Amino acid sequence: DAKTTQPTSMDCAEGRAANLPCNHSTISGNEYVYWYRQIHSQGPQYIIHGLKNNETNEMASLIITEDRKSSTLILPHATLRDTAVYYCIVRGRNAGNMLTFGGGTRLMVKP
Amino acid sequence: DVKVTQSSRYLVKRTGEKVFLECVQDMDHENMFWYRQDPGLGLRLIYFSYDVKMKEKGDIPEGYSVSREKKERFSLILESASTNQTSMYLCASSPPGGITPYGYTFGSGTRLTVV
Repeated sequence: DAKTTQPTSMDCAEGRAANLPCNHSTISGNEYVYWYRQIHSQGPQYIIHGLKNNETNEMASLIITEDRKSSTLILPHATLRDTAVYYCIVRGRNAGNMLTFGGGTRLMVKP
Repeated sequence: DVKVTQSSRYLVKRTGEKVFLECVQDMDHENMFWYRQDPGLGLRLIYFSYDVKMKEKGDIPEGYSVSREKKERFSLILESASTNQTSMYLCASSPPGGITPYGYTFGSGTRLTVV
């Protein structure tokens, strides 16, 4: 699986958009980009995933660059409850069904 | 709401005890996983299972075993607990392939302290 690089931490003002970047320059053609988040003392929660097209759901938007070497998770109107560690994961569809979590980005949403 | 339920939120056990961590999912998922999470080390895969009575070692299986007698239940066993197994343990499940609208579903975790 391709490795990912994320900033260790970020701050965002409540009500503003939070843009969380992820670099995955060694991604291969059949690998998906997944985003999960983990709120303190809870299990990770699935947010969104994509292959090459931008994706949007009720939680967030995922923007993948045309060369697929990086992506951005966008929380359009961050709330205090969005404070969490956000993990960007790249894996292939048949990669043993396992997720490999890196260090993630600790997002702090401030009032 | 789909759920992965871990039987205990907090556990305190003594060194040398045999410890059972239970995980139950109600989504009829084939795949189930056990991870542990430690500060600075992230989530690490201990064991996973593709089907009933089937198990595969993850990245750090030493000191652990698992049991999957029924599709909905995946148990993690610490045969003789040691202090270095003090950690947060997370169970997850997914359908085959893992590419679903909901991805992997995790339980809330069991924080185990071995004294």
